[in-house]
Amino acid sequence: NAGVTQTPKFQVLKTGQSMTLQCAQDMNHNSMYWYRQDPGMGLRLIYYSASEGTTDKGEVPNGYNVSRLNKREFSLRLESAAPSQTSVYFCASTRTGGANGYTFGSGTRLTVV
Amino acid sequence: GEDVEQSLFLSVREGDSSVINCTYTDSSSTYLYWYKQEPGAGLQLLTYIFSNMDMKQDQRLTVLLNKKDKHLSLRIADTQTGDSAIYFCAESNSGYSTLTFGKGTMLLVSP
Repeated sequence: NAGVTQTPKFQVLKTGQSMTLQCAQDMNHNSMYWYRQDPGMGLRLIYYSASEGTTDKGEVPNGYNVSRLNKREFSLRLESAAPSQTSVYFCASTRTGGANGYTFGSGTRLTVV
Repeated sequence: GEDVEQSLFLSVREGDSSVINCTYTDSSSTYLYWYKQEPGAGLQLLTYIFSNMDMKQDQRLTVLLNKKDKHLSLRIADTQTGDSAIYFCAESNSGYSTLTFGKGTMLLVSP
């Protein structure tokens, strides 16, 4: 009954370092998403994958890359972290159509110093 | 692009009803959602409404949709202190579409 699992839960990076945020879902969902949440900004879409083998940019893709490794896993990579990327990152998934809503992970809190 | 607007803050007393409002601009919205976020946690889907519905009731939650005015509301009856959280309105326009979120309404319930 795991749902959407994100790792790590917390991370501190130095400016210029790289890292990959991992996300996995066990609900056989087709679509997966990465959002970032900043105070006063709500949630903004970074990238999404409508189905295995496809990825598309969202509202704020600059500075990020993604990989849909298989149906279960969707990773987000920061190649050269910047302080502006300090945020809480959420992964989500849904069946095609989204009628039953999106299931969110518990988030990764990233600080770039 | 699509936009979703919410008031930022609502304060009520325990036992009162809470009404959180949301407006959206996308006339092709198919589903409209309400999510709850407790401190330090992810987003939990509370309820959703299909765009051809006017109202949906689920225990203490009532969702009203005025499609003409593009206005969505969430009413929580008999609000409890455990309902204190941030509530997000979101919309999607079907298929593989992404969710567009409002900035969230912080609900504070006082005893």
